[in-house]
Amino acid sequence: NAGVTQTPKFQVLKTGQSMTLQCAQDMNHEYMSWYRQDPGMGLRLIHYSVGAGITDQGEVPNGYNVSRSTTEDFPLRLLSAAPSQTSVYFCASSYSRSRYEQFFGPGTRLTVL
Amino acid sequence: GENVEQHPSTLSVQEGDSAVIKCTYSDSASNYFPWYKQELGKGPQLIIDIRSNVGEKKDQRIAVTLNKTAKHFSLHITETQPEDSAVYFCAANRGGTSYGKLTFGQGTILTVHP
Repeated sequence: NAGVTQTPKFQVLKTGQSMTLQCAQDMNHEYMSWYRQDPGMGLRLIHYSVGAGITDQGEVPNGYNVSRSTTEDFPLRLLSAAPSQTSVYFCASSYSRSRYEQFFGPGTRLTVL
Repeated sequence: GENVEQHPSTLSVQEGDSAVIKCTYSDSASNYFPWYKQELGKGPQLIIDIRSNVGEKKDQRIAVTLNKTAKHFSLHITETQPEDSAVYFCAANRGGTSYGKLTFGQGTILTVHP
């Protein structure tokens, strides 16, 4: 198993540009989520999904969209990038409703100029 | 919503010493408390977790304790080694939620000096 994979590893955007961060898992996990990590603030939940076709907002959803058309993939879209979205983004997945252990991907470092 | 506070923000110990990191949470309905280790340039990795129906859990040199009444939980690392140097995060699930929707602490940078 590859586990949780994320692409790209690094990305630089200009203010106002859009892009999609990719996340995939090959463990047949029901639950997937996106976090952003900023210095001194830990990880904050952006969006999550409990299965294909089902998504919901986390703590800091503004400026981000998600969709979950398959069990494996959970892309995160930035519609109009802002400097405040400069961060490291992590995707995570876990098995099911009763198995909470979350597995994290390697992260995407995003800089918005 | 859930609030998780983590202390200290940095911790420096000598190899072989013990290290203790403490977290408090606000939501009395939280029932799942994981600890993650994050090495430089990598994603967080689960090292141990505890559910609210137990007070302590051990895995070799790592242990976690939970005090539900006081709403705090702690990570204990014994016989520390240089490879334990990393950032450690505690977390708690949003009360009553399935799937472990987590709120994280701010992180502790642990440095183990040889």
